[in-house]
Amino acid sequence: AQKITQTQPGMFVQEKEAVTLDCTYDTSDQSYGLFWYKQPSSGEMIFLIYQGSYDEQNATEGRYSLNFQKARKSANLVISASQLGDSAMYFCAMRDNYGGSQGNLIFGKGTKLSVKP
Amino acid sequence: DAGVTQSPTHLIKTRGQQVTLRCSPISGHKSVSWYQQVLGQGPQFIFQYYEKEERGRGNFPDRFSARQFPNYSSELNVNALLLGDSALYLCASSLVRGQGATEAFFGQGTRLTVV
Repeated sequence: AQKITQTQPGMFVQEKEAVTLDCTYDTSDQSYGLFWYKQPSSGEMIFLIYQGSYDEQNATEGRYSLNFQKARKSANLVISASQLGDSAMYFCAMRDNYGGSQGNLIFGKGTKLSVKP
Repeated sequence: DAGVTQSPTHLIKTRGQQVTLRCSPISGHKSVSWYQQVLGQGPQFIFQYYEKEERGRGNFPDRFSARQFPNYSSELNVNALLLGDSALYLCASSLVRGQGATEAFFGQGTRLTVV
């Protein structure tokens, strides 16, 4: 069965510093997608970054980058130059792209990031 | 461009009642999925619809049902509400390309409280 593990319930980071949020995954599929979402207290899930299992380069989106290590089955999110507005819950998720269909997202339990001024 | 819209944003229901939640996907997105997020947990997959057909179902009882309309909007129905159904219900839409679905974009959610 597919599974996402986020081992850090909470993290603190000083404003303007970088922080890494850990994510490991388990799947027997060869084709899959990995996602990171940010969820502020308002509840909306905000898409941050995507990594396909066949992508050779690590994904980057502005201050967000995904450290993808396929052999270790890890997909850590790196946030550079943290801002106070980065304080939120962060979820790692995986989609299996099976049979030309759409699959569904499997989420980890999340990491609560707090940015200190 | 409008994002994923969900209605209502908040809802209070009594045990045993029925509820209908609504979702409009991003224009051009034909795949809609529903998720339940209880407090302190990650979202759990409930249903996925693509081209008006159910393409996936999570581990939820038959009290949960959904459908997708010709304009790709979707409704989630929950019958015989239990206290444990209290949660944030999230709708996500995706654009499907040849290799499968792209990233999912979520609405702001419907916060359901069952009393």
